[in-house]
Amino acid sequence: DTEVTQTPKHLVMGMTNKKSLKCEQHMGHRAMYWYKQKAKKPPELMFVYSYEKLSINESVPSRFSPECPNSSLLNLHLHALQPEDSALYLCASSQDVLAWTEEETQYFGPGTRLLVL
Amino acid sequence: KNEVEQSPQNLTAQEGEFITINCSYSVGISALHWLQQHPGGGIVSLFMLSSGKKKHGRLIATINIQEKHSSLHITASHPRDSAVYICAVRENTDKLIFGTGTRLQVFP
Repeated sequence: DTEVTQTPKHLVMGMTNKKSLKCEQHMGHRAMYWYKQKAKKPPELMFVYSYEKLSINESVPSRFSPECPNSSLLNLHLHALQPEDSALYLCASSQDVLAWTEEETQYFGPGTRLLVL
Repeated sequence: KNEVEQSPQNLTAQEGEFITINCSYSVGISALHWLQQHPGGGIVSLFMLSSGKKKHGRLIATINIQEKHSSLHITASHPRDSAVYICAVRENTDKLIFGTGTRLQVFP
């Protein structure tokens, strides 16, 4: 199983709502990532978890709150978002964020398309 | 100027044509990815390169570390190859930097 799953596929929320995005992988990967992608732009890295600990936070506003409950799950909690946060949110995983070998690769999920009204 | 530049930005081809997409970067890297993103958003990792050349089916990726340049080639292109192809480099600091992508459309 080389699949990264994300739910929901689409999400519409108001600026006062609280919602969560979920990501799951069962490949035994120990590194998981959240990316944000605006239309026609490349993905931007938001957070990296390594062995269930937050290792990289790319200066993301506190209205985005990541959580890694276990090695297979990664959540992104959303609160008081702005319309400009509307984007595709991509989750990815890899064997180990530090073990950079020829076979290392990131596996991406299909994304959650978020619209903030 | 972006640290990772791709060319062309847009590419159209007839089915069967040989396609080349280029990626140039200006930072020291430990590896380079080629990614494929279909409409709807999902990204597939095609290759990870640190030197030389790799081949998967009709796809070939090459990298020249001295020239800081990589190419992705698609032989015998097919309409299902239509997607955005993204080059991403792993900087020596472990940061991943993405190129702006090349939008490919292959017509039957």
